[in-house]
Amino acid sequence: QVQLQESGPGLVKPSGTLALTCTVSGGSIRHYFWTWIRQPAGKPLEWIGRIYSSGSTNYNPSFKSRVTLSIDTSKNQFSLHLTSVTAADTAMYYCAGEYSYGSGIWDYWGQGTLVSVSS
Amino acid sequence: EIVLTQSPGTLSLSPGERATLSCRASQSVSSDLAWYQQKSGQAPRLLIYGAYRRATDIPDRFTGSGSGTDFTLTISSLEPEDFAVYYCQQYGNSLTFGGGTKVEIK
Repeated sequence: QVQLQESGPGLVKPSGTLALTCTVSGGSIRHYFWTWIRQPAGKPLEWIGRIYSSGSTNYNPSFKSRVTLSIDTSKNQFSLHLTSVTAADTAMYYCAGEYSYGSGIWDYWGQGTLVSVSS
Repeated sequence: EIVLTQSPGTLSLSPGERATLSCRASQSVSSDLAWYQQKSGQAPRLLIYGAYRRATDIPDRFTGSGSGTDFTLTISSLEPEDFAVYYCQQYGNSLTFGGGTKVEIK
């Protein structure tokens, strides 16, 4: 059973960089797309970007200038870096995997990690 | 960007009743549409993909239909565990979510 677990600081200062890692266990990270999605409290889900195991990326244009995804297949991990954060970036951040059903369909999710942007 | 509009925003129903949720796309996404269920404090769970295909272990009371720009998720008879927020998501042209429909107990 594939499991995903997010990790990283729960508090980031304004103008700083939000950095999160997702560790994949119970399966290989190779040959799949891996995604970051966020959800401000009480609001809908928002796709941030996705990365293939080769390192190829797709980003939501809303984030494109601030976001970088990376992947370390040797550690079965992928990461999110979001720069120049503001209070609007406060949200629950989820990592997810497109494992069984094809491109853009997320059947495995982490439990989420709450990141607050505050001084 | 393709915008997904879900309606109604909130659906107040009793257990055993039928729920009908709508998702309309600003342009055609063919059948590249999924539905997710999100319970309070939990990550979303995939219910439907390809507009009508159930994901593994999803009960048959959940039915997806539609194509192009108009889609529906029907829950034939609400169970207590079905009260949650439901999101549609398109993957035909980039990746976007709808605003969600909350199914609450009446």
